[in-house]
This record gives sequence, structure tokens and C-alpha cells, in this order.
Amino acid sequence: EVQLVESGGGLVQPGGSLRLSCSASGFAFSSYAMHWVRQAPGKGLEYVSGIVSYGGSTFYADSVEGRFTISRDNSLNNLFLQMSSLRAEDTAVYYCVRVLTGYYYYMGVWGKGTTVTVSS
Amino acid sequence: EIVLTQSPATLSLSPGERATLSCRASLSVSRSLAWYQQKPGQAPRLLIYDASNRATGIPARFSGSGSGTDFTLTISSLEPEDFAVYYCQQHNNWQITFGQGTRLEIK
Repeated sequence: EVQLVESGGGLVQPGGSLRLSCSASGFAFSSYAMHWVRQAPGKGLEYVSGIVSYGGSTFYADSVEGRFTISRDNSLNNLFLQMSSLRAEDTAVYYCVRVLTGYYYYMGVWGKGTTVTVSS
Repeated sequence: EIVLTQSPATLSLSPGERATLSCRASLSVSRSLAWYQQKPGQAPRLLIYDASNRATGIPARFSGSGSGTDFTLTISSLEPEDFAVYYCQQHNNWQITFGQGTRLEIK
């Protein structure tokens, strides 16, 4: 069974840092591009960041560019999101997403999400 | 950035009725558009990709159409489990954006 399990969320003060992790299982992790998508409380979906299968190329939404860093460890089947200079507007559920097989851009499999709250 | 505008914001229908949801892009995205369904407390689920291809396990009552800037998600006969929020999503050279969502509620 394909599974994505996020961890690392929590309460952090404005200006602080947090590292999210996503543990993947049930598929060939190193063969898939991966993404992070977030959803603020009561709001819609917002694309955050993506990384190709081999990790050589990464992509960011303008709202997080320069503050967030996506990475992956294909030997451990893990995806990461290092978040720094956090703001109140970064408060959201963060979903780890695997692409649809054969595509880079469609969100085929979603984790259950981890909650990040930025507040003093 | 390509902006996706979904309409209506809320759609009130009864089970058995036909639902038509719209997604309009600010620039042409060809057929690079997907639809997702999200139920309360759950992660989204991919329904449609490349404008009209159903994802694995998605019932045939869900269909997608359109190209360029105008897209439609149609649910031919609503089942009770179809009442949820629906999002469209486009990609353009790794610039990925979502629409703001349409809430499909029971009338």
C-alpha cells in the first residue's frame, strides 16, 4: 500500500524554524517527483514546493522562495521541508504529495498532513 | 502566475441532480488541468487529470472537459458522498496553482 506519513509540525514563534519530514512507503520513492502543498485553516489549497525524483531540481511558490528548502533522501525514502523565517501566514496543514505515475505535476497520492502553527 | 477562478463558490443541489463546476484560467494552460475532491478532515483526492482523464478508481459519473482557459467538471448524478469541496489545479513549467474551490452542498 502506498503511504505518506508527515511529521515535524508544531507550534513555533514568528521568525523561527521548523523541519517537516515525510516518510514514504509502498512504492519506488526514488522514481517519483514529490511536492508539498499546504492549507491554511478554513482556506483552500496552496502549492508550496516540489522536487524532481533525483533531487537535482527544486521549485518554490513565490510566497516561500528564499525561506523554505525542499530536499529528499532517496536511500531512506524521506522528503523534507526546512522552513525558516516563519510568519503567521505560514500557519497551515502541510501535505506531502507524490505525483501521479508518469507525471511531474499532478498530485496523485496525499499524506494526511502535519499542522504548523506560527504564533507568539 | 496563472490564476484559476472557480465558479460558483457554492453550489446547492440534491442527490440525483447533475452538477457542473467551472474553472477558468487567466492564461491558456492547454489541457494541463486537474480536479480534486476534498471532504472535511481529509486530504484531497485526485479525480481528473489532463482535463478529461479519470484517475484510478474514480466513478464514471465524474467527467472533465475543456482546454485553453475554460474547464468543466461534471458529476452526472450526485451521490450523497459527492458533497465536498472541489479544486482545480494547473501546471505551467513547474508553476503550479490551485483554484479557490467550489463547495458542493446538499440542498
